[in-house]
Amino acid sequence: DAGVIQSPRHEVTEMGQEVTLRCKPISGHDYLFWYRQTMMRGLELLIYFNNNVPIDDSGMPEDRFSAKMPNASFSTLKIQPSEPRDSAVYFCASSSGGTHSNQPQHFGDGTRLSIL
Amino acid sequence: KQEVTQIPAALSVPEGENLVLNCSFTDSAIYNLQWFRQDPGKGLTSLLLIQSSQREQTSGRLNASLDKSSGRSTLYIAASQPGDSATYLCAVRGDSWGKLQFGAGTQVVVTP
Repeated sequence: DAGVIQSPRHEVTEMGQEVTLRCKPISGHDYLFWYRQTMMRGLELLIYFNNNVPIDDSGMPEDRFSAKMPNASFSTLKIQPSEPRDSAVYFCASSSGGTHSNQPQHFGDGTRLSIL
Repeated sequence: KQEVTQIPAALSVPEGENLVLNCSFTDSAIYNLQWFRQDPGKGLTSLLLIQSSQREQTSGRLNASLDKSSGRSTLYIAASQPGDSATYLCAVRGDSWGKLQFGAGTQVVVTP
């Protein structure tokens, strides 16, 4: 299996621009998670989906952030407008199994985002 | 609210020495605990997952123990190698949806 695939790997853009991060989960996985990693706050869960439905978006920092999962093989995380404090590494992860499942989460290599 | 702590934040050992990494959590009502490895510029790689009903889990040179009542887990890496140099993170799953709470990680350097 190809694993979780994220694109782009690196993104540098100016403040105020729209940023779209993409994720393709492992085929057959029904959970998808978006995380943000910074030196100050470590790994933070932003939002997660089960069967393409958002379950918990309480980690999304502001209304400037939005996430969608139009089908089982694709998800996007959008920031509009972007700000320098959004600079971080954004990870997507997926896992299988339903309630009480003990399947591990599998992570992509992340998108390193720099907002100038 | 669950809090996950990893001490120390960094560790340097000579090759061949055994590594002991600690993880503590405040709420013992967990589904499982997972140990990950992160290499620079890379995502997280799952090493071991211990279910709440288990006391330990082993994979090759890695052994992880879990003591739910005291809120602790320990990752042991036997006979460390330079290739073990990475950041190790633990994460606890506290609800049925799979949501993980991560520690800040321990950065390990194994010197030849």
